Amino acid sequence: GESVGLHLPTLSVQEGDNSIINCAYSNSASDYFIWYKQESGKGPQFIIDIRSNMDKRQGQRVTVLLNKTVKHLSLQIAATQPGDSAVYFCAENTLQGDMRFGAGTRLTVKP
Amino acid sequence: NAGVMQNPRHLVRRRGQEARLRCSPMKGHSHVYWYRQLPEEGLKFMVYLQKENIIDESGMPKERFSAEFPKEGPSILRIQQVVRGDSAAYFCASSPGQGSTGELFFGEGSRLTVL
Repeated sequence: GESVGLHLPTLSVQEGDNSIINCAYSNSASDYFIWYKQESGKGPQFIIDIRSNMDKRQGQRVTVLLNKTVKHLSLQIAATQPGDSAVYFCAENTLQGDMRFGAGTRLTVKP
Repeated sequence: NAGVMQNPRHLVRRRGQEARLRCSPMKGHSHVYWYRQLPEEGLKFMVYLQKENIIDESGMPKERFSAEFPKEGPSILRIQQVVRGDSAAYFCASSPGQGSTGELFFGEGSRLTVL
């Protein structure tokens, strides 16, 4: 759902470890979800998407899991690298067709 | 194929002045979205436009803020009589519209500083 002015939660992982970033969405009618990555000073970049008729989708080093029962999304990053350090947002679609973003999580990868 | 282009990248205004932020969507995209981001916070939806139409402006403050996406030219986000609280990064995104996957393509943002 919409961010509500809270400071970003953070996740710190060691290089080479797997990362799991979680997101709760607000609208049970949402049927399309996207994970975005935002590096410092840049706009968000698409990572991976998933439709509500799926519960898992894999990309290159990333996997998105969708649990519609509890309205929960997760992004798994395998073998996390320093270049993965960024803020990660989940987004859900609305009936009007725009995307609403979650609060975001800052991922820091330690060498 | 150029991506979403936003300008200016940085804009400094004094309280009471007007700020105009421009967004040119990706070629072939007819849907534009504006988001606002405060430091260390998430992206807050403001408005969703198609050419010459506002589809959803539920995130736009009722006063001082307006947006348009004319038939020709870029989308404009206009903030009148700016206040310090308007200082933020404003991101524009575009999508092809109906029949597309829903993925939004973002610009690099316009950072507004109100002195």
